[in-house]
Amino acid sequence: QSVLTQPPSASGTPGQRVTISCSGSSSNIGTYYVNWYQQVPGAAPKLLIYRNNQRPSGVPDRFFGSKSGTSASLAISGLRSEDEADYYCAAWADSLSGPVFGGGTKLTVL
Amino acid sequence: QLQLQESGPGVVKPSETLSLTCTVSGGSISSSSFYWAWIRQPPGKGLEWIGSINYSGSTYYNPSLKSRVTISVETSKNQFSLKLSSVTAADTAVFYCARLRFFEWFDFWGQGSLVTVSS
Repeated sequence: QSVLTQPPSASGTPGQRVTISCSGSSSNIGTYYVNWYQQVPGAAPKLLIYRNNQRPSGVPDRFFGSKSGTSASLAISGLRSEDEADYYCAAWADSLSGPVFGGGTKLTVL
Repeated sequence: QLQLQESGPGVVKPSETLSLTCTVSGGSISSSSFYWAWIRQPPGKGLEWIGSINYSGSTYYNPSLKSRVTISVETSKNQFSLKLSSVTAADTAVFYCARLRFFEWFDFWGQGSLVTVSS
């Protein structure tokens, strides 16, 4: 059981907007930046969002990260079939003195 | 473009030591801006940070694994390595090496190496 809580699944149809939540506490998300990773089946995770809302070069602006208090969210607009993947939030955790991941959310594009 | 590649045995016997090496190409492991990390993912499950090291050998380990983990760096070969001792079936996982930027986010990942613990 991770200290960062994500819904196990989410879904949407092409073109829709979906949001994935990540809930933590004052000793992780409440104090530190949140990062998001996308893992398509059979591949390594890929950095999607860093420092709450920053997109690495090459990540479309359809992906939007936000943080408020001890929770964070990843919004995906204009959903596409290639967005079907597992999404993980991550943040520094005082309890680990290191990074911790959420349990992951499997996004299905219907 | 930076690339990371894991290498090592695909099968390890219970109670033995798992050893993996990550070779970094397209960039130097000796940059002070980065740490280098190992992360694992059991089949069908989520990601778990194992530990991190920088070019000078400073290490940080996940407390849940600290007693069994050693991470080392060999700058002359642009490599860093993982040793996990006394493995059990619960250690079966895909092991990823990754670059940790500003000790905050993992910006480059290897393709992963599946290690199965089995007699």
